[in-house]
Amino acid sequence: KQEVTQIPAALSVPEGENLVLNCSFTDSAIYNLQWFRQDPGKGLTSLLLIQSSQREQTSGRLNASLDKSSGRSTLYIAASQPGDSATYLCAVSGYDYKLSFGAGTTVTVRA
Amino acid sequence: NAGVTQTPKFQVLKTGQSMTLQCAQDMNHEYMSWYRQDPGMGLRLIHYSVGAGITDQGEVPNGYNVSRSTTEDFPLRLLSAAPSQTSVYFCASSYSNQGAEKLFFGSGTQLSVL
Repeated sequence: KQEVTQIPAALSVPEGENLVLNCSFTDSAIYNLQWFRQDPGKGLTSLLLIQSSQREQTSGRLNASLDKSSGRSTLYIAASQPGDSATYLCAVSGYDYKLSFGAGTTVTVRA
Repeated sequence: NAGVTQTPKFQVLKTGQSMTLQCAQDMNHEYMSWYRQDPGMGLRLIHYSVGAGITDQGEVPNGYNVSRSTTEDFPLRLLSAAPSQTSVYFCASSYSNQGAEKLFFGSGTQLSVL
């Protein structure tokens, strides 16, 4: 069974600092990996999707890397802003196309 | 654009009561699914559907029923509510296989079972 871990569970940074969020998974036979953002009381919004054949994906200030062999993905958010405060979840899809989610990292960006 | 719409947003039930959580999407997505989110845990898949008339169980299906009579709607039924079903429920959809495409989520239903 795929296990997805996100450490730390929470972090707080001053505005302008770069954010580095980690995701690890136990089974490297994945189809793809997605990063989501969740605001309080809201649903999840997909930020980036990395196919298993890719090493990274970029969208604006966001960059996600994938290292299947080591079972790790990292989400980088450049020049953080208070509006980046949210919970970030990663989810891994196996070849059965079912997603396994991490519990998330709650980010607070201090103005 | 409406996207994925869930109703109600909040619900309180007594143990043993039944209810239906509604989910509708207007993106003509084939795949729809239900997740529950509990504190400190990742989302867990309850049931999913790959198209109208086709449903299957996820990781935690016990105590829940689903049906998919149309492409747009995918209701989740709690047969006899238990306190262990207190959770936040999310409906999600995607154009094709839910793991192969970006997943679109509803805003959630917060359910408390007393």
